[in-house]
Amino acid sequence: GENVEQHPSTLSVQEGDSAVIKCTYSDSASNYFPWYKQELGKRPQLIIDIRSNVGEKKDQRIAVTLNKTAKHFSLHITETQPEDSAVYFCAALKGSNYQLIWGAGTKLIIKP
Amino acid sequence: NAGVTQTPKFQVLKTGQSMTLQCAQDMNHEYMSWYRQDPGMGLRLIHYSVGAGITDQGEVPNGYNVSRSTTEDFPLRLLSAAPSQTSVYFCASSYSENTEQFFGPGTRLTVL
Repeated sequence: GENVEQHPSTLSVQEGDSAVIKCTYSDSASNYFPWYKQELGKRPQLIIDIRSNVGEKKDQRIAVTLNKTAKHFSLHITETQPEDSAVYFCAALKGSNYQLIWGAGTKLIIKP
Repeated sequence: NAGVTQTPKFQVLKTGQSMTLQCAQDMNHEYMSWYRQDPGMGLRLIHYSVGAGITDQGEVPNGYNVSRSTTEDFPLRLLSAAPSQTSVYFCASSYSENTEQFFGPGTRLTVL
């Protein structure tokens, strides 16, 4: 079945530096790839998403890139700030039905 | 506009007991889903619904039942609780399968 692998599991960066989180998926028919942020004890919230007809999407300090040939997509956060500390999840929508398959998450730590 | 609501927030069950987790949304969303989140893991889809009267199984449906008699409500029933079902349960809704999912606050369930 569909599998989404996410790396790294933990990422520690200096405040102001950039952070990159990568995900790979197995279903070549997947066409929707969201990223969610979950702060400690809170619910997940969408931060950005991309569809398969687009290679890159940007929203202020956050960008997502998609490589359909290689079946991977990445989240880029520039000029990191303390409030960026959270767990980030990638997901891929299976092409055959309406199921969203999630990566295991990346704990992002911003060091002051 | 309350968004997605879940009750209860916390629940402790004994092995073999049954219970229903409630989920409601007031955004007129067709797509609703139930996830479980275990420590260090991503969200795993239990069941989902693409509209009133239509439900389907996700990745981990065993031990759980759902129904969708109205657009607003999507209850999750645990048939005979087991310690392996100890987890945080999130309900989510969205306009469609490839749009932002709005999550409820979660239910923390412990099965002794």
